Amino acid sequence: AQKVTQAQTEISVVEKEDVTLDCVYETRDTTYYLFWYKQPPSGELVFLIRRNSFDEQNEISGRYSWNFQKSTSSFNFTITASQVVDSAVYFCARQGAQKLVFGQGTRLTINP
Amino acid sequence: DTGVSQNPRHKITKRGQNVTFRCDPISEHNRLYWYRQTLGQGPEFLTYFQNEAQLEKSRLLSDRFSAERPKGSFSTLEIQRTEQGDSAMYLCASSLVSGAGEQFFGPGTRLTVL
Repeated sequence: AQKVTQAQTEISVVEKEDVTLDCVYETRDTTYYLFWYKQPPSGELVFLIRRNSFDEQNEISGRYSWNFQKSTSSFNFTITASQVVDSAVYFCARQGAQKLVFGQGTRLTINP
Repeated sequence: DTGVSQNPRHKITKRGQNVTFRCDPISEHNRLYWYRQTLGQGPEFLTYFQNEAQLEKSRLLSDRFSAERPKGSFSTLEIQRTEQGDSAMYLCASSLVSGAGEQFFGPGTRLTVL
C-alpha cells in the first residue's frame, strides 16, 4: 500500500512557539496531489492546502507554511507563533486516483 | 449554508439492526465520497460516485454495506446487520471533476453499535 506516515502522534507546545508537523508519503505515481486537513474538536475536516507534485515551491499563508521536498517524499507543515485555536488533529493526505489516503494524524495541543 | 451536510449527526443502534445515513454534497459538485474514521486514526476511503455512477469501492466495504446516489445529488450509505466493529465516524465529502479537486467534508455521522 502507498502509505502516508505522520510519525508524530502528539505534539504539545506553549503558545507563540513555532511547531512543525512532519509528513512522509509513498507513491509510484508521477503526478499526484498532497493535502493537509485540520480536524478541530468539533470533528469536521477543514481543508488547508493542496500541492501538485510538479510544484515544489514552498507556500506561506499567514502563520502557516508548507515545505514540499519531492526528493525525500516529504510535505511538512509549520505553524509560526502558534495560538491556542490551532489546537486540533492535523492530517496529511495523498490523492491516489480519486481517493484520499490519509496519515494517522498528529494531535497538536497549544498550551496558553 | 452551502457546505456538505450529513444526517443524522449521531446514531446509536443495537447490534444486528440496519442503519442508513444521508449525505447532501455541495450543489455543483459531481463527485461524492464516503470515508470511515475510527478513534485515533485517519479517515479511510470506502467508496465514491461520479454523478450517479459508483466508480470505486474499497475492500473495507463488506457485503453488509451499500451506497447509492440515485439522481446524482444526495447519497445514502446503508449498513445491514450492524456489528460493534462498525462503530465509527462516517464522513462524506464532495468535489468537482477538475484536476485533483479539493474534497470538502461534511460534519460526519457518528455511529455507535451497542
